[in-house]
Amino acid sequence: EIVMTQSPATLSESPGERATLSCRASQSVSNNLAWYQQKPGQAPRLLIYGAFTRATGIPARFSGSGSGTEFTLTISSLQSEDFAVYYCQHYNDWPLTFGGGTKVEIK
Amino acid sequence: QVQLQESDPGLVKPSQTLSLTCTVSGGSISSGGYYWSWIRQHPGKAPEWIGQILHSGTTYYHPALRSRVRISIDTSKNQFSLNVSSVTAADTAVYYCARATAYYGVDVWGQGTTVTVSS
Repeated sequence: EIVMTQSPATLSESPGERATLSCRASQSVSNNLAWYQQKPGQAPRLLIYGAFTRATGIPARFSGSGSGTEFTLTISSLQSEDFAVYYCQHYNDWPLTFGGGTKVEIK
Repeated sequence: QVQLQESDPGLVKPSQTLSLTCTVSGGSISSGGYYWSWIRQHPGKAPEWIGQILHSGTTYYHPALRSRVRISIDTSKNQFSLNVSSVTAADTAVYYCARATAYYGVDVWGQGTTVTVSS
């Protein structure tokens, strides 16, 4: 099983600031990496797939990078609606696994 | 636009079997290339992948749950189902049905249904 590790667990930032979230895989997942956003009481929403491709309707302030074992999600300028929990997930092999999440909170 | 909706079993007693059904609307479950998936999320925790099924009936399960989980598909009803046997309190979670692909990850999620295991 591939273990996904996210850091930091919590990120405190002000609106308008840049947020950088990290995700590390215990072995290479190539580019088979997705990022999701989850708000309280809601299902996760796909933001990024293939490590760097934005899903339909996702604003350009969200960007993904990385390959192999190291990945980054960047939110260039935090908007009020971006404060949420973010998960990375690999789909390179079975079982699919998620990282523990990063909570982006208002500073 | 494809939408997924889980059934609502609510409360399940320990040692019994949890059964959930996901109804797919806005598209055919028989379309190739999709993995119809079950994912659960314990309170305050990250999502946990349970397993998935292709329209052909080929299944993939999480090794830790394989002995208790069965996923099936009914293309005539555009539904797929999850059975989890011998449930305990540790199976209490929000259960999501979802659509996944080999290219996009999990691109469509149901709204989720809360399952509580308690006597």
